Amino acid sequence: AQTVTQSQPEMSVQEAETVTLSCTYDTSESDYYLFWYKQPPSRQMILVIRQEAYKQQNATENRFSVNFQKAAKSFSLKISDSQLGDAAMYFCAYTRLNDMRFGAGTRLTVKP
Amino acid sequence: EAGVTQFPSHSVIEKGQTVTLRCDPISGHDNLYWYRRVMGKEIKFLLHFVKESKQDESGMPNNRFLAERTGGTYSTLKVQPAELEDSGVYFCASSLGTGRLGEQFFGPGTRLTVL
Repeated sequence: AQTVTQSQPEMSVQEAETVTLSCTYDTSESDYYLFWYKQPPSRQMILVIRQEAYKQQNATENRFSVNFQKAAKSFSLKISDSQLGDAAMYFCAYTRLNDMRFGAGTRLTVKP
Repeated sequence: EAGVTQFPSHSVIEKGQTVTLRCDPISGHDNLYWYRRVMGKEIKFLLHFVKESKQDESGMPNNRFLAERTGGTYSTLKVQPAELEDSGVYFCASSLGTGRLGEQFFGPGTRLTVL
């Protein structure tokens, strides 16, 4: 079974600083997809960034980038120039085709 | 374009009662998923529909849970009879495809509290 682990229940960052959220996963598959979802307070989850396992290049979306280490089964999210609006629960997720496996989430606080 | 919607947003019921949650996916999305997050724990997959057919229901906890997707449009998830451990947030998601086309769009969730 595939499992996803987020070892940081809570993180905080100063506005304009950089923060990295950790995620590791366990799988015996070689082709899969990894995601970071963000859930702001009282709002629905939205996709932040996606990584396809067959791509070696790390995905980047504006201030969000990932460090994908396939051999280590690690998929961390880096948020640069943090903004107050980045405060949310962040979920790391894995999927091959259908069902998505999530980590327990990391609650990010951004301090002004 | 409307996103995934879920109804109700909150439900408080007593143990032994029945509750039905509804999910309306994004129009045109054949794939519909149900997930559940029990307080403080990870979001867990419940089941996956492709159109009106159950593709994978391996995450359904027990036979008190019944999911349907009539006509391949909206879906309902019924819990009967509800138990205390069923409390949590139930998320619905839909996607156009799977794999590379499988970005899942999530609804806001239904918070279920069983007293």
